[in-house]
Amino acid sequence: AQRVTQPEKLLSVFKGAPVELKCNYSYSGSPELFWYVQYSRQRLQLLLRHISRESIKGFTADLNKGETSFHLKKPFAQEEDSAMYYCALRVSNFGNEKLTFGTGTRLTIIP
Amino acid sequence: EPEVTQTPSHQVTQMGQEVILRCVPISNHLYFYWYRQILGQKVEFLVSFYNNEISEKSEIFDDQFSVERPDGSNFTLKIRSTKLEDSAMYFCASSGVFKLAGGLPSTDTQYFGPGTRLTVL
Repeated sequence: AQRVTQPEKLLSVFKGAPVELKCNYSYSGSPELFWYVQYSRQRLQLLLRHISRESIKGFTADLNKGETSFHLKKPFAQEEDSAMYYCALRVSNFGNEKLTFGTGTRLTIIP
Repeated sequence: EPEVTQTPSHQVTQMGQEVILRCVPISNHLYFYWYRQILGQKVEFLVSFYNNEISEKSEIFDDQFSVERPDGSNFTLKIRSTKLEDSAMYFCASSGVFKLAGGLPSTDTQYFGPGTRLTVL
């Protein structure tokens, strides 16, 4: 069975400092990895997915199959980045669409 | 931009009562999901629904749970006889279905609703 681990429940970073939110996964096949974000009083929304290899709001994440990681990074944190961040995994197989989430990391940007 | 909507935003019920949580997925989406999040815990998958039938379900989704698409727009989750441990935030999600280059189907991003907070007393 697949599993997603986010080791940090809470992370505080000063504005302008680099941010790294850790995500490790276990799955024997080739998964799809996602980062979802939940801002205060808002719904869960997709931040980025590994197959699109985009940078959204300055965030990037690279899938490292050797280390089974998908860490989320941003070089310079902004106050509006304060939110709950969830890493999620999906088996890339039609009919098996469920997302398996990590426990989430609450990121607080200190002004 | 179209959004998934859920009603009610908060539902309080007595243990043993039936509840129906409602969702309106994005209109051209064909794949629907229910997840839940118990306070302080991770978001957990309950069930997915495609082509008018359950596609996948978790161990949590036992005989007390059922899903339905009663018309062309709503997607509901029914809990037949609620227990205290059913208290959680319930999220509905939907995604589009498209064909890959080889003709195989695939799904797009899952878009989440704002959630219904269910409190069982």
